[in-house]
Amino acid sequence: GNSVTQMEGPVTLSEEAFLTINCTYTATGYPSLFWYVQYPGEGLQLLLKATKADDKGSNKGFEATYRKETTSFHLEKGSVQVSDSAVYFCALRLPFGNEKLTFGTGTRLTIIP
Amino acid sequence: DTGVSQDPRHKITKRGQNVTFRCDPISEHNRLYWYRQTLGQGPEFLTYFQNEAQLEKSRLLSDRFSAERPKGSFSTLEIQRTEQGDSAMYLCASSSGQSTTNEKLFFGSGTQLSVL
Repeated sequence: GNSVTQMEGPVTLSEEAFLTINCTYTATGYPSLFWYVQYPGEGLQLLLKATKADDKGSNKGFEATYRKETTSFHLEKGSVQVSDSAVYFCALRLPFGNEKLTFGTGTRLTIIP
Repeated sequence: DTGVSQDPRHKITKRGQNVTFRCDPISEHNRLYWYRQTLGQGPEFLTYFQNEAQLEKSRLLSDRFSAERPKGSFSTLEIQRTEQGDSAMYLCASSSGQSTTNEKLFFGSGTQLSVL
């Protein structure tokens, strides 16, 4: 079946460090890929997305590239801030009108000053 | 745009009782979704409405669960004869429905259910 695997957390980094959160997927067909973020006390928010192979999604300094050959969509940021502390979820959605999002288990990120 | 609102934020109930949650989507959003999230897991899809029509239901949605969206605006999720395994965060999301795929979902903050 369709699934998303995220790197195990939690992840703790110092401010200005480089961030990578790994995400790989298994899917039939060619899914769209997403990163959602959940800040403390808030609902999930879409961070970025990519809809086809080699697309790069970017937002707020975060980037992720859709790699079909490695079925991956790793999240990166060059210099993290304390305000980036949150839980990050990788997700996929199958094409052709499929409305269901399949999420990974989430990675809790804590940035220390 | 006041966002997706869910009520209540927290619900504690005894096993065997019925509970009902409400979700108010962003106005004019015609798609509405329910997800369930347990501790340490990502959200799992439960069901989806296009206007008032319930178009998809997950196998996770047992006979004890029922969702409605009677006028295509707010939605309710009812759980009958609750079990301890129903304890979870219940999330609602909405989208505008203007695109066939890859639409941005707007999530509410969820209703945390604890079944004692």
